[in-house]
Amino acid sequence: EPEVTQTPSHQVTQMGQEVILRCVPISNHLYFYWYRQILGQKVEFLVSFYNNEISEKSEIFDDQFSVERPDGSNFTLKIRSTKLEDSAMYFCASSETGTTGNEQFFGPGTRLTVL
Amino acid sequence: GESVGLHLPTLSVQEGDNSIINCAYSNSASDYFIWYKQESGKGPQFIIDIRSNMDKRQGQRVTVLLNKTVKHLSLQIAATQPGDSAVYFCAETADSSYKLIFGSGTRLLVRP
Repeated sequence: EPEVTQTPSHQVTQMGQEVILRCVPISNHLYFYWYRQILGQKVEFLVSFYNNEISEKSEIFDDQFSVERPDGSNFTLKIRSTKLEDSAMYFCASSETGTTGNEQFFGPGTRLTVL
Repeated sequence: GESVGLHLPTLSVQEGDNSIINCAYSNSASDYFIWYKQESGKGPQFIIDIRSNMDKRQGQRVTVLLNKTVKHLSLQIAATQPGDSAVYFCAETADSSYKLIFGSGTRLLVRP
């Protein structure tokens, strides 16, 4: 069964460093998403991406964040200068279409720890 | 990938019993609702969904009920099994948006 994959599973970084989290969405999906989950809190939407551009983003997704689809398979989230409060689980998701009712499939997540 | 939360409400049920997990949603404009299951080390996994023009939908061993009047969603799991132990999240979305808005989650523990 096709699945969303994410690497690395765990990333430890120093405050102020740049990190890139990687995702491989399901191959025939066209819409891609990043969510995050701070320990003990809800899963929060960060950004959605379609046709090589951001279609929607949350207030969390400020100038420190960027997304990219560098090739035909990968979808990345970059945090330019990490802060302690960026420590969280980051989930990538993908869906065939962006319409309501179209299931978003989630990856296993990357645990980001900022020291 | 586990939503480890010191403050997660927990539902403990005996194996074989039915489970009911509740969720209150916030946006009266939301028109699509989903239940996700999150097991330890994994991302959220789709269980069942329902549109706002319905009040009940059944799947295999699971039923979702929607009460739009009080903005309440519930997930019923029949004959709960040890493999059902996980954290369950409701999520909502509106037609004008791509994003899922997640609830805070409920931990389900199944006693053998």
